Amino acid sequence: DQQVKQNSPSLSVQEGRISILNCDYTNSMFDYFLWYKKYPAEGPTFLISISSIKDKNEDGRFTVFLNKSAKHLSLHIVPSQPGDSAVYFCAASTQGGSEKLVFGKGMKLTVNP
Amino acid sequence: EADIYQTPRYLVIGTGKKITLECSQTMGHDKMYWYQQDPGMELHLIHYSYGVNSTEKGDLSSESTVSRIRTEHFPLTLESARPSHTSQYLCASSVGTAGYTFGSGTRLTVV
Repeated sequence: DQQVKQNSPSLSVQEGRISILNCDYTNSMFDYFLWYKKYPAEGPTFLISISSIKDKNEDGRFTVFLNKSAKHLSLHIVPSQPGDSAVYFCAASTQGGSEKLVFGKGMKLTVNP
Repeated sequence: EADIYQTPRYLVIGTGKKITLECSQTMGHDKMYWYQQDPGMELHLIHYSYGVNSTEKGDLSSESTVSRIRTEHFPLTLESARPSHTSQYLCASSVGTAGYTFGSGTRLTVV
């Protein structure tokens, strides 16, 4: 069974607008969450993370929000740029991120100029 | 500049052949992982290692094997490749609570 779910396979937005990528999880033991970006023919690269003791973490244009009661997190990209077009993976871990990561299926983001 | 290297990037091989996918990292990370990913699907953990001479199977059953004789090296071996092994294989490493650093992956096609 999938412990980390990204239910929307794709998202298309206009350059300059906000991109919102969603992720749900089922395992209440997860306490550390990460987002990775992946371009074709490359490995995923780390984007941003959040610990369960926080509900928001910001890094430049990227903000991750965590709603523990709903077991839901989201990644906001503002403003979106064409170079952001990639597949985004949500991942979760226990023990503050020291244990192995569990990944979602990914969501393909396309930012149109 | 990549700190974790996977070779080959692409491999097309016949059924029944033995193959080894190489993964090396220069960061001194103690933890290393192999994930398998089919297009449009999640990354599935197939093997991991928390240090030299320590290897464990992941959540997804795999016919592959791994070894960790040196900290920096974590090769994956398939004794007899089959078409069902066609997939992308991603190696990663980590230390402490930092996120993973991934290699560029090996796209394997077994014909």
